[in-house]
Amino acid sequence: EAGVAQSPRYKIIEKRQSVAFWCNPISGHATLYWYQQILGQGPKLLIQFQNNGVVDDSQLPKDRFSAERLKGVDSTLKIQPAKLEDSAVYLCASSVGLPGADTQYFGPGTRLTVL
Amino acid sequence: AQTVTQSQPEMSVQEAETVTLSCTYDTSESNYYLFWYKQPPSRQMILVIRQEAYKQQNATENRFSVNFQKAAKSFSLKISDSQLGDTAMYFCALSNAGNMLTFGGGTRLMVKP
Repeated sequence: EAGVAQSPRYKIIEKRQSVAFWCNPISGHATLYWYQQILGQGPKLLIQFQNNGVVDDSQLPKDRFSAERLKGVDSTLKIQPAKLEDSAVYLCASSVGLPGADTQYFGPGTRLTVL
Repeated sequence: AQTVTQSQPEMSVQEAETVTLSCTYDTSESNYYLFWYKQPPSRQMILVIRQEAYKQQNATENRFSVNFQKAAKSFSLKISDSQLGDTAMYFCALSNAGNMLTFGGGTRLMVKP
């Protein structure tokens, strides 16, 4: 079974530029998550989708971050414009979508460096 | 709000020995779930073990076991017979019924030969 795929793996941009990340979850997984992991910290949930609907985006900086999951499969996360403090690894995860102890499977992440 | 605290930023253990990683948490939910995730240097996060809060029996997965103390809001991970491949960042995490994970700051574990 293929795992969660993410691209690109690495991205370097200048501040005020735009960037987009792509995630393809495990086939059949209804729930998709985007996390931000700043170096030396634990991941922080940015947004959670159930199929193509948003379950929670309370920690998403909506003035610069946006995410979509059209057709309830792939998802993209965009930052526009980027700031220095956005330098982090962006992790995508997916799960079956059962309530409770639903195991989340993580992708390899995209490491973003903002100069 | 949920919080997860890992008070040990770094730990080391000799190969084949046992090590315990600490985690405390706080939540107002009565129904919640606890997890330990491992993140090796390649950065792919994988689940090590999970515990449903309503279960009194501590979860065990091969060399990994937990000590769940619900009243104390403590959830420690014990790794027995440590192996070099156990070297990684370990994150304690808490979720509610909606599957929203809150992670601790992590413990870096180094297994020495």
